[in-house]
This record gives sequence, C-alpha cells and structure tokens, in this order.
Amino acid sequence: DQQVKQNSPSLSVQEGRISILNCDYTNSMFDYFLWYKKYPAEGPTFLISISSIKDKNEDGRFTVFLNKSAKHLSLHIVPSQPGDSAVYFCAASVEGGAQKLVFGQGTRLTINP
Amino acid sequence: KAGVTQTPRYLIKTRGQQVTLSCSPISGHRSVSWYQQTPGQGLQFLFEYFSETQRNKGNFPGRFSGRQFSNSRSEMNVSTLELGDSALYLCASSLALGGTRETQYFGPGTRLLVL
Repeated sequence: DQQVKQNSPSLSVQEGRISILNCDYTNSMFDYFLWYKKYPAEGPTFLISISSIKDKNEDGRFTVFLNKSAKHLSLHIVPSQPGDSAVYFCAASVEGGAQKLVFGQGTRLTINP
Repeated sequence: KAGVTQTPRYLIKTRGQQVTLSCSPISGHRSVSWYQQTPGQGLQFLFEYFSETQRNKGNFPGRFSGRQFSNSRSEMNVSTLELGDSALYLCASSLALGGTRETQYFGPGTRLLVL
C-alpha cells in the first residue's frame, strides 16, 4: 500500500529552466509534507516543507505547492542548476506528534548543461 | 553545529549474524528515528525513540530492535540477519518539542551488506 507516490522515476531538465517534481498521496490524514534531496552515499537533505493549512511555501529557488483536494503536491525549482541533479523524495506525516515519515519512491532529476 | 552521525558507515555480515548500528543526533535533538532504504522498497520507517522510549514502530519483524540512551544517542540492532536485510540504514533526528510538525535531519547512513 503505497500511500505516497512519485510516479516519475526520472526527469531531465535543461539548466536554467524550471524543474517540476510531482507527488501524490492517498492518506487524507497527512498534514505535513516535506521534500528531501539525496546524493549517492549520503543521507537525505531537507529542502522545504509545507503544512496542510497552506497551499504554497517558497524558499529561494524552491517552491512547494499543495493541492489538498487533489491530494497532490509539487516542487518547483527555478532556475535549475547542475548541482540540483540528485534524487528527490517527497515525504508526509500524520497529525499526532510522532515523527514518522512516509516516503515516496523518489525521482531522479538530471540537469543538463 | 555538528550534524547527525552514524557509525559504522559500512558493514559486511553473514546470514544468521547480528549487527548493531549507532546514531548520534544533532545536539539538543531529543527524537531519533530509523529508516531502511532498499532499491525495491524505497525509504521505510523502522521506529522512533524519544526520551529513551519507543513511541512509534513501522512494519518490520521483531528481529529489528532499538534503544535510546539518556544522552539521546540511539542504537539499532538486527538479529539473525537475512540476505534481504542488506540496505542503507538511515537515522534522523528532530527537536521533538511536541505537538507541532518538525523537520527530521538525516545522517549519512550505514550501508549493511549481508552475504
């Protein structure tokens, strides 16, 4: 039962353009969503998060959009840079205080010069 | 501020053995969570410890256990290792002030290979 899904295993974008990574979820109890970036042989690095009471959160080149009715979130990276090439995971947690994250399968983003 | 540290970084064991992995959280963080990453299953939650108590557990067999010490450091143990336990084991820490959504910060992981 995959509660968080990232349907695109990979994405290739030209440097300077916008990268859009998508994530869908099925559990309506999720109230907090995060995006992590992961390089090989390293742990995931936190990028940006959003609470279910918001529909947008921005941090520099990174913006996360949340559409609760569609149970969909997306991460926009503008402009894309070569250093953004990595695997991106979306994660979600359920209200209740426990620090359990449910992760998607990840999307490998490649930025082409 | 130092990040989350995990030791050892790499480990090779044989089937039937047991293994203990260690995690030191960011200073001041009180919650430690463990995750298993495999190519087939992705990142899966193992358990979370707060104030030396396990307060959440994922769907893993009893061979997987853990504990947390009074200084918030945590250990994870896997007994009777199976080939399928080969994975990257990640530890994450958070402040755990309670009641609010908090960001978890991950360590570099321990790569376990079971032969």
